[in-house]
Amino acid sequence: DQQVKQNSPSLSVQEGRISILNCDYTNSMFDYFLWYKKYPAEGPTFLISISSIKDKNEDGRFTVFLNKSAKHLSLHIVPSQPGDSAVYFCAARGGSEKLVFGKGTKLTVNP
Amino acid sequence: DAGVIQSPRHEVTEMGQEVTLRCKPISGHNSLFWYRQTMMRGLELLIYFNNNVPIDDSGMPEDRFSAKMPNASFSTLKIQPSEPRDSAVYFCASSIQGWNQPQHFGDGTRLSIL
Repeated sequence: DQQVKQNSPSLSVQEGRISILNCDYTNSMFDYFLWYKKYPAEGPTFLISISSIKDKNEDGRFTVFLNKSAKHLSLHIVPSQPGDSAVYFCAARGGSEKLVFGKGTKLTVNP
Repeated sequence: DAGVIQSPRHEVTEMGQEVTLRCKPISGHNSLFWYRQTMMRGLELLIYFNNNVPIDDSGMPEDRFSAKMPNASFSTLKIQPSEPRDSAVYFCASSIQGWNQPQHFGDGTRLSIL
């Protein structure tokens, strides 16, 4: 059973527009959420995180929103740039338990 | 600063052979993780070491898989004997301490078992 789901395998947006990547989770014990970015032939790179005590965290062009009641989080990238084209992984954990990753969403930003 | 270093980057071998993947974590990081990525299952944790001690190996698929961390700067993941279904990308990651700090990943080893 998938505890962290990224239902969109891919997303395509125009440069300068907003990219919204979504993630749903099922485990109510999850209290910390992360997004990783992965380029081809490289390992995932940590991007941004959010604790369950917050509903928003912002870092430059990247903002993560958390809706605990809906068990949903999203990553907003504004404005999107061609260099943002990558696979984005959502991950979650509860307490000191292991990270559980989604299967990823491939973002393509078209010039 | 050097990141997590994995070797080899690519490995192609025949079924039944022993495979050894290597990882050098970031200096000063106390926790090391081995992951496997496949199309079907995504990124899944195989084993987690803290201060060179295996803490959680529940993700290790079966006895053919073993992992060691003889010191703070080196870990191996061994598959013996290898099978075609072991074909995947294997990532090593390290963090300063446990799950509470973001993990830094190596570039992975792409393993193909023929």
